[in-house]
Amino acid sequence: GQSLEQPSEVTAVEGAIVQINCTYQTSGFYGLSWYQQHDGGAPTFLSYNALDGLEETGRFSSFLSRSDSYGYLLLQELQMKDSASYFCAVSAGTDKLIFGTGTRLQVFP
Amino acid sequence: DTGVSQDPRHKITKRGQNVTFRCDPISEHNRLYWYRQTLGQGPEFLTYFQNEAQLEKSRLLSDRFSAERPKGSFSTLEIQRTEQGDSAMYLCASSSSGGSRGLKTQYFGPGTRLLVL
Repeated sequence: GQSLEQPSEVTAVEGAIVQINCTYQTSGFYGLSWYQQHDGGAPTFLSYNALDGLEETGRFSSFLSRSDSYGYLLLQELQMKDSASYFCAVSAGTDKLIFGTGTRLQVFP
Repeated sequence: DTGVSQDPRHKITKRGQNVTFRCDPISEHNRLYWYRQTLGQGPEFLTYFQNEAQLEKSRLLSDRFSAERPKGSFSTLEIQRTEQGDSAMYLCASSSSGGSRGLKTQYFGPGTRLLVL
């Protein structure tokens, strides 16, 4: 089977750093993506890792360890607008994405 | 803004009725995907087109569901004889086939929220 596991909810305060972990078990693996989705909105692409290591894009960074089937999204200098659901998604050999169940991030002032 | 658009944004129907949704992808994108999302869950893949060819269908896509992309541009998703379990957000995404292998960023539309009474 194919599965992705993420924490269901994470809370943090403005200005803090938060890490959202994702472990996956899929048949075939090409890369791990992260998407952000605000309530009632569409998923928005944040980052993609195909190789081991850290990718940095502004306040967001994403890490992948293929040997551990593990990745994380790191959000720094949290802002209220970062309150949203975050999904990891695997590209597993075809062009479809397999999504995790999502992590709801709540940022408090 | 020439992002992915979907129509309608909301649809309420009675059980047993047929519904059709439309997706207009980003114009230069040759790949188009349909996903379904229920509350508290991640999007689930339904089907995918490259140009006008439907290349993959999920086992979630029962025979009541059909999707087309007749000219390789917009796509329609039809649900026949709707059931209450079909209530969900139906998301469309598009991507180009360029870029490094596996990196085909998918851009999502705002979705069509379906409620079957």
